[in-house]
Amino acid sequence: NAGVTQTPKFQVLKTGQSMTLQCAQDMNHEYMSWYRQDPGMGLRLIHYSVGAGITDQGEVPNGYNVSRSTTEDFPLRLLSAAPSQTSVYFCASRPTTGAAAPGYTFGSGTRLTVV
Amino acid sequence: ILNVEQSPQSLHVQEGDSTNFTCSFPSSNFYALHWYRWETAKSPEALFVMTLNGDEKKKGRISATLNTKEGYSYLYIKGSQPEDSATYLCARNTGNQFYFGTGTSLTVIP
Repeated sequence: NAGVTQTPKFQVLKTGQSMTLQCAQDMNHEYMSWYRQDPGMGLRLIHYSVGAGITDQGEVPNGYNVSRSTTEDFPLRLLSAAPSQTSVYFCASRPTTGAAAPGYTFGSGTRLTVV
Repeated sequence: ILNVEQSPQSLHVQEGDSTNFTCSFPSSNFYALHWYRWETAKSPEALFVMTLNGDEKKKGRISATLNTKEGYSYLYIKGSQPEDSATYLCARNTGNQFYFGTGTSLTVIP
């Protein structure tokens, strides 16, 4: 049981380049989300999905796109990378959005640097 | 106001000491509160999900309480061990969205 798998672990991009961060889970979780972690700030929600075909914006969605074509996969696309997107990105999933549902299972993170 | 505040920001305790930290959140429209443990170079790991006022959850030497009316939760660690050294995060769940605090960094000195 792999849990939540994120790739790549590290990436350096030039300003203006695009890329996709991959996230896959094998737990049949309905809810998946992407967070960024910046120094001195809590994890901030970028986008989330409550099921295949359904996505919505979180707290800091600008500059990012997501899609959810299958239950398992939830890729995050950076359309035109900017230095402000230098961060550590985490994918996380939960079985459902129910209040009492178990907490998140997090991926191992992607450290992205935009130069 | 959606901010989740955690205090203290960091804490150093001796092995064997008991300790506690605070998570404060807006008390209106409460849905759920989560606690996570985040060790260096690893990913956050879920500790507790708390939904009811007066909830108390326990996992080994770690326990948490919840007061939704006044908007706070306490995390307690009894008899701290070096392996408890980590950052402890709380997060307010409003349904589909989560708002994380910046965490309390705990260092347990052997």
